[in-house]
Order: sequence, then structure tokens, then C-alpha cells
Amino acid sequence: GENVEQHPSTLSVQEGDSAVIKCTYSDSASNYFPWYKQELGKRPQLIIDIRSNVGEKKDQRIAVTLNKTAKHFSLHITETQPEDSAVYFCAASGNRGGGNKLTFGTGTQLKVEL
Amino acid sequence: GAVVSQHPSRVICKSGTSVKIECRSLDFQATTMFWYRQFPKQSLMLMATSNEGSKATYEQGVEKDKFLINHASLTLSTLTVTSAHPEDSSFYICSASNGRNNEQFFGPGTRLTVL
Repeated sequence: GENVEQHPSTLSVQEGDSAVIKCTYSDSASNYFPWYKQELGKRPQLIIDIRSNVGEKKDQRIAVTLNKTAKHFSLHITETQPEDSAVYFCAASGNRGGGNKLTFGTGTQLKVEL
Repeated sequence: GAVVSQHPSRVICKSGTSVKIECRSLDFQATTMFWYRQFPKQSLMLMATSNEGSKATYEQGVEKDKFLINHASLTLSTLTVTSAHPEDSSFYICSASNGRNNEQFFGPGTRLTVL
């Protein structure tokens, strides 16, 4: 099955700096790569996603890049703000008979310091 | 649109009892629902996938007789934790998919504490 690795596990940045989180996946059939932000005790919130037919996608301060050949994708947050502090999860999904199930990365605790 | 609710949000039970958690898609028909478990400071781990009207597909290592899943309609799935023990204490989150794309819509989660 799919295996998703995520780095770093913790990331501390100064307000206004950029933050980058990287993930790799193992199943070349995966074609959907969402990123979630999760605050303590809350549901994961989709912040951006990318599909395998696209190499990059941007939404205001958030961008995601995908390298299918290398099987890795990254989340970029620019001009970080204290409210960006949370745990971020990458995930990968395909339709290889698995009902489009998501495999999550291990998470990154992002702390934006004033 | 695409709202998923979960009930209860918190439950505390005694060891050996059973607990039922409901997951509802409020404004769309969910052809597939997923159940996840999340331990503190860990990632979401998929427990099972359920399609309306058919048996759930469980992930490796998840006991189907302990975690009973019913997907009786296109808007409701239930997870019953049978004979709960303290090690079952966790955050249980459901998600629902409308089958049009890969996107899943998550419920708010249920915090289960087994004493």
C-alpha cells in the first residue's frame, strides 16, 4: 500500500518568514495530494490540494508543488503569521481499488514566533 | 456545502461497555465514508472504509468484531466500539466522500475516554 513520509516533524519560524514542509509518497498510482491544517482537538481542515496533472498550485500565501517523477510534494507558506501555528498533514490518495482512501503523513508541528 | 457532523463530540464510558458514534453528511450524499483514529500527537490512521449498503473494508490490524461499522444510508455511518478498554481511548474522526473526486470532508471528531 501507500506510504507517506513527512519532514520535518517540528518547524519553528519567525513571523513573516517562509515555511516549507516536504512529503514523499511510494505509490506511483496516487493522483491526489491534499494538505491539511489541524488545530488541537479539531478536525483536519483542507488548505490546498493538487492533482497529478499539475506541477504547482498557489492560493494566496500557500503554494504546493508536485514532482511526480521523484514522488514528492511540498507545502510552502509565505509571510507566516502566528495564526498559522498548527499541525500540518500531507496526504496521498489514488483509486487503485482502495476507494480513494487517504494515507496521511506523520505531521509537522509549525510554530510561528513573534 | 459539504458539511459532515459527528455525534457525540465527547464520550466517557466504563471499561467493557460499548459506544456508538454517528457520522452524518448533512448536505450531500456520501457514497463512501471513512473512519480514522488519532492518538495524541500522532497522525490520522485509517481504520475502515464503508460504502452504503455493503460491508466495511477494514485496514490491516483493525479488529472488525471490535469496531462495528454500519453504513445504512447515503448520509449516515456509525462506528460502534464494542467492549471498550482504556487503550481504545482516542480521537475518532469520520470523513465522507461524494464520489466525484478524491476529496474527503471531515467530521469534527469524537473524543472517547474509557475509564
